[in-house]
Amino acid sequence: DVKVTQSSRYLVKRTGEKVFLECVQDMDHENMFWYRQDPGLGLRLIYFSYDVKMKEKGDIPEGYSVSREKKERFSLILESASTNQTSMYLCASYDRERDTQYFGPGTRLTVL
Amino acid sequence: SQQGEEDPQALSIQEGENATMNCSYKTSINNLQWYRQNSGRGLVHLILIRSNEREKHSGRLRVTLDTSKKSSSLLITASRAADTASYFCATVKHGSSNTGKLIFGQGTTLQVKP
Repeated sequence: DVKVTQSSRYLVKRTGEKVFLECVQDMDHENMFWYRQDPGLGLRLIYFSYDVKMKEKGDIPEGYSVSREKKERFSLILESASTNQTSMYLCASYDRERDTQYFGPGTRLTVL
Repeated sequence: SQQGEEDPQALSIQEGENATMNCSYKTSINNLQWYRQNSGRGLVHLILIRSNEREKHSGRLRVTLDTSKKSSSLLITASRAADTASYFCATVKHGSSNTGKLIFGQGTTLQVKP
């Protein structure tokens, strides 16, 4: 079974802090994704990575950056957290054979 | 950008009843997928239907796809309290299948009362 893990289930940070959200997958998938999920807005793609050190902006990249130094790990970085970044963050890994995304359990981030 | 729209937004039924959720989309697609999300958790893939398929079954799930109407439906038969969750349709835009990029709908929240 594919396993996607995220570093924290819940996180509370202060405005202006630098925040790292980590995602690890164990299936050697090339493509990985970061989404945020907000009530009434559904899932919105923040960033997408298609290989080590390769990334592409999604629909809402502003205020975020990403890092993919190793194939299994895709990190989302909030350089200076703001209250409007309070959200559920979901990481996913793509199985090309099954054309399916596998999601981590999510990180609920609160920025005070 | 969100392509899929689910209908209804919320559905409440009794255990044992069938639940039907609908999804409409706007552009040509390679396939359409349904995902489930338990409260506060990540999404779990349920079923994928390709653009050249009209119907697919998996256990108590039945998915239909009508590409002429750009719509799909998910039927859960003999529902159980454990089926309580949000259900999302997601489409792969035609020509984008190698990226894995999905466009998600807003979701239908299903409550199954015991």
